[in-house]
Amino acid sequence: TQLLEQSPQFLSIQEGENLTVYCNSSSVFSSLQWYRQEPGEGPVLLVTVVTGGEVKKLKRLTFQFGDARKDSSLHITAAQPGDTGLYLCAPWSYDGLTFGKGTHLIIQP
Amino acid sequence: DSGVTQTPKHLITATGQRVTLRCSPRSGDLSVYWYQQSLDQGLQFLIQYYNGEERAKGNILERFSAQQFPDLHSELNLSSLELGDSALYFCASRLGRSNTDTQYFGPGTRLTVL
Repeated sequence: TQLLEQSPQFLSIQEGENLTVYCNSSSVFSSLQWYRQEPGEGPVLLVTVVTGGEVKKLKRLTFQFGDARKDSSLHITAAQPGDTGLYLCAPWSYDGLTFGKGTHLIIQP
Repeated sequence: DSGVTQTPKHLITATGQRVTLRCSPRSGDLSVYWYQQSLDQGLQFLIQYYNGEERAKGNILERFSAQQFPDLHSELNLSSLELGDSALYFCASRLGRSNTDTQYFGPGTRLTVL
């Protein structure tokens, strides 16, 4: 079983600031997914990273997959209140996803 | 809107009782997954069904069971409820097996056991 560590657990910053959250494991991922969950809703897939060293951009969000495929990061530029939510990572699996505990992000206006 | 529907949205019941949560997957999706989300354990995979058959099991208690019907909707049955079963229960559906296929999550059922 892969143990996922996400950090920080909680993050509260002002609108306009930049931030980075992390997802780490002692095991190698075949591919990794990032989800965002807003209060009262189910998680929504943001991105899947597959190749070591891969960088994917989704507007102000930049996702990076570590060269060794054991870690990933999510960087948000100029955070907005709409970015508030729980950010979860999970190695891709067809048999059900194993999520990290997530990063609770609050962007204050 | 993910296209996955779950009912009821909220459920309040007492310890020892039994409840049934219902999920309708997105049109065409054959796989249904159930997850439990609690403050201390996070979001945990419970069980997966594919086209009516159990495909994989996660951290599902023996007091919990699920099934997927011919019309592909699924039900999660929780029995002998305990206070610790209070949580959000999510259903997700997926079309195929590729790692580019997305799991689409429903809005969840919030279960409160008093």
